[in-house]
Amino acid sequence: KAGVTQTPRYLIKTRGQQVTLSCSPISGHRSVSWYQQTPGQGLQFLFEYFSETQRNKGNFPGRFSGRQFSNSRSEMNVSTLELGDSALYLCASTREGAGDNEQFFGPGTRLTVL
Amino acid sequence: AQSVTQLGSHVSVSEGALVLLRCNYSSSVPPYLFWYVQYPNQGLQLLLKYTSAATLVKGINGFEAEFKKSETSFHLTKPSAHMSDAAEYFCAVTESANTGFQKLVFGTGTRLLVSP
Repeated sequence: KAGVTQTPRYLIKTRGQQVTLSCSPISGHRSVSWYQQTPGQGLQFLFEYFSETQRNKGNFPGRFSGRQFSNSRSEMNVSTLELGDSALYLCASTREGAGDNEQFFGPGTRLTVL
Repeated sequence: AQSVTQLGSHVSVSEGALVLLRCNYSSSVPPYLFWYVQYPNQGLQLLLKYTSAATLVKGINGFEAEFKKSETSFHLTKPSAHMSDAAEYFCAVTESANTGFQKLVFGTGTRLLVSP
């Protein structure tokens, strides 16, 4: 069974640009979550999507947004990039109905903002 | 809100020595607890999870963790370190949302260094 895949693996952007990251969950998983990992703030929850709807959102500005498609694939978008947005963005998928909501993580997208 | 404390940002051991990584959580209700490992330039890999079935949880690669409610702890151990264990380890606790989703709240991580 294929794991969670994320594309691209690496991105370099400049301040003010916008970026879109993609995540394909494990087959059959309908919940997709996004996390940001930085040396200063650690791992922080961005948002979660289920059945094409954002169900939960972390404490991030509106520049961070996402969406989910009918095949459960998800994208996240960051507009007006700032230097502080440089981070590893991790996507995780969950099999709805699993009592422990175990989340399976992808390899991440490393975003560098210059 | 849930929180997780990992004592020690870096832990150094010799190959063959005991590994002990500490994790304390804040919760009045026993949560679900996880240990993840992250190798350089990779995502998070689940080592083990506590879901109230048993207090001593065995995971992959010889790791295990014991849930102690009285101490609100979930420390990770391995009897004998291997060079390949060098990585960053994250303890995480679930935090329920009213939608039924349980997001993960992570500790700050502990980097394990293994010397020959």
